[in-house]
Amino acid sequence: GAGVSQSPSNKVTEKGKDVELRCDPISGHTALYWYRQSLGQGLEFLIYFQGNSAPDKSGLPSDRFSAERTGGSVSTLTIQRTQQEDSAVYLCASKSAGTDTQYFGPGTRLTVL
Amino acid sequence: GQSLEQPSEVTAVEGAIVQINCTYQTSGFYGLSWYQQHDGGAPTFLSYNALDGLEETGRFSSFLSRSDSYGYLLLQELQMKDSASYFCAVAIGGFKTIFGAGTRLFVKA
Repeated sequence: GAGVSQSPSNKVTEKGKDVELRCDPISGHTALYWYRQSLGQGLEFLIYFQGNSAPDKSGLPSDRFSAERTGGSVSTLTIQRTQQEDSAVYLCASKSAGTDTQYFGPGTRLTVL
Repeated sequence: GQSLEQPSEVTAVEGAIVQINCTYQTSGFYGLSWYQQHDGGAPTFLSYNALDGLEETGRFSSFLSRSDSYGYLLLQELQMKDSASYFCAVAIGGFKTIFGAGTRLFVKA
């Protein structure tokens, strides 16, 4: 595709439910990032994948958060037993090897009631 | 820990020049990037500095001093459409990037 896509664009869920957020990176990009952005705040690093290397999960806030990247392309961020403090915009970005530019998707706005 | 400091808000008039500063304290440093984000939109890349000095891209310039752990984004000939949030970001090693909290720029007519 022409850019990074994310789905759904909006997700409203009840506290305690599990959610899955999807990211389709730019074709050929080897690096994929997940960030979280609360209203009016900066981007909080969650996790990144680079090629076939083990992902850097150092930014995941709790063990309720997990992510996988299948076939070096599509990635899914899963939040189990959602809490109200998980409400935020979740942004995905991808990057080509040897470059410094991250291309961001439009984000998924998650609201936990 | 990792920290990036930038002003929370800056206001300037159309046609003016504005500078947004960023100081950082990180465990590693491979480069300083700047991103622009309009309300409701995704961040978009503006510039990257790996070495000391000034990088110019049209109306936008970015500066880095590694010895001072400091950089800035300079916006010239401000336009109303430049009203947005601007984030500095440091590549700290591998592919990991840490972002600042952002500077909200208001451009007035």
